[in-house]
Amino acid sequence: SQTIHQWPATLVQPVGSPLSLECTVEGTSNPNLYWYRQAAGRGLQLLFYSVGIGQISSEVPQNLSASRPQDRQFILSSKKLLLSDSGFYLCAWSGLSTGELFFGEGSRLTVL
Amino acid sequence: RKEVEQDPGPFNVPEGATVAFNCTYSNSASQSFFWYRQDCRKEPKLLMSVYSSGNEDGRFTAQLNRASQYISLLIRDSKLSDSATYLCVVNNQAGTALIFGKGTTLSVSS
Repeated sequence: SQTIHQWPATLVQPVGSPLSLECTVEGTSNPNLYWYRQAAGRGLQLLFYSVGIGQISSEVPQNLSASRPQDRQFILSSKKLLLSDSGFYLCAWSGLSTGELFFGEGSRLTVL
Repeated sequence: RKEVEQDPGPFNVPEGATVAFNCTYSNSASQSFFWYRQDCRKEPKLLMSVYSSGNEDGRFTAQLNRASQYISLLIRDSKLSDSATYLCVVNNQAGTALIFGKGTTLSVSS
């Protein structure tokens, strides 16, 4: 069966510090991978999606970046965090771009 | 117009009540529609897909009106465990990803 893991689950970072969130999927090959963010009191915002290794599409301009160094690995990064980067970050995978999404347990980021 | 809009809620209902959530979407070319459920501080999980002819899963019924670009979710005989946020989901303009509404919060009380 397929599983998705993301870490860390919780982190508190100062403004201006770097960020790295990692996500891996097991039990499937060539998945579509996604990063979403859910800010307090707001809906899920699609940040990045990837249909293959090295292929990243960005949905919104921001100081975040994503990379997919391996088929089942998706990384979300920032060189310098802003207060507005605080939120609940969710990695997800899908077998089809318009099919069901399976989410990881999320990473809760607080930028102080 | 936002890509996916939902009733703001919250909906506070007693056990056993019937409650309906509505959702509108802006992309007339959308082909994929879902309702997800999200518990507090947890990741969203698929509740049900929404098909053109409408579909039912136990106490849950989903309807799609393509002409009005409108989706609904009906919950019958509400249970305490139904308390959660319900997210309306539609595929994006490019057909490459899913776009989520902000969600409608349901609270079922005894």
